[in-house]
Amino acid sequence: EAGVTQFPSHSVIEKGQTVTLRCDPISGHDNLYWYRRVMGKEIKFLLHFVKESKQDESGMPNNRFLAERTGGTYSTLKVQPAELEDSGVYFCASSQVTGAGELFFGEGSRLTVL
Amino acid sequence: GENVEQHPSTLSVQEGDSAVIKCTYSDSASNYFPWYKQELGKRPQLIIDIRSNVGEKKDQRIAVTLNKTAKHFSLHITETQPEDSAVYFCAASRGNYQLIWGAGTKLIIKP
Repeated sequence: EAGVTQFPSHSVIEKGQTVTLRCDPISGHDNLYWYRRVMGKEIKFLLHFVKESKQDESGMPNNRFLAERTGGTYSTLKVQPAELEDSGVYFCASSQVTGAGELFFGEGSRLTVL
Repeated sequence: GENVEQHPSTLSVQEGDSAVIKCTYSDSASNYFPWYKQELGKRPQLIIDIRSNVGEKKDQRIAVTLNKTAKHFSLHITETQPEDSAVYFCAASRGNYQLIWGAGTKLIIKP
């Protein structure tokens, strides 16, 4: 069974540009999460989808970030325009159940904003 | 806001020795505490978790202990091996999806 896949693995862009990150969850997992880790710091929650609906987007830093989950399958996270402080590793995770349980992570998308 | 503090940030131990990583949480309503391991260049993976109705859980060389009164929990790895080298993350939640994460501990196993 394929795990959670993320694309791209690494993106280097200039301040002011746009980047779109993609996540393909494990098939059948209704729950999809986006997290971000700034270098050396804790992993921070960004948002949670249940199927195509945003269940909780309280962790989204500001309106430069837009997440979508088309048809309840893959998800995209767009940053527009990117700022220096957006640099970090963006993790996607999925799970079958909503609640305390195992999260299946992707390998992350490293974003570097110059 | 709620937070989880994790110590140490880096831990270096001799192969075969034990390693202990500690986390302290602030939300007294937390009742689920997972530990994830991230090997270099790979995805974080769940290695063990504990719920607040138990004080200790073991899985081969790995164990987690929970002290609800003091609001801290620890990961214990015995007889460390080179493949234990990784970054370990602790987290806490109220039993929902909203995990609060520690900053991670880089564990180095010296041959």
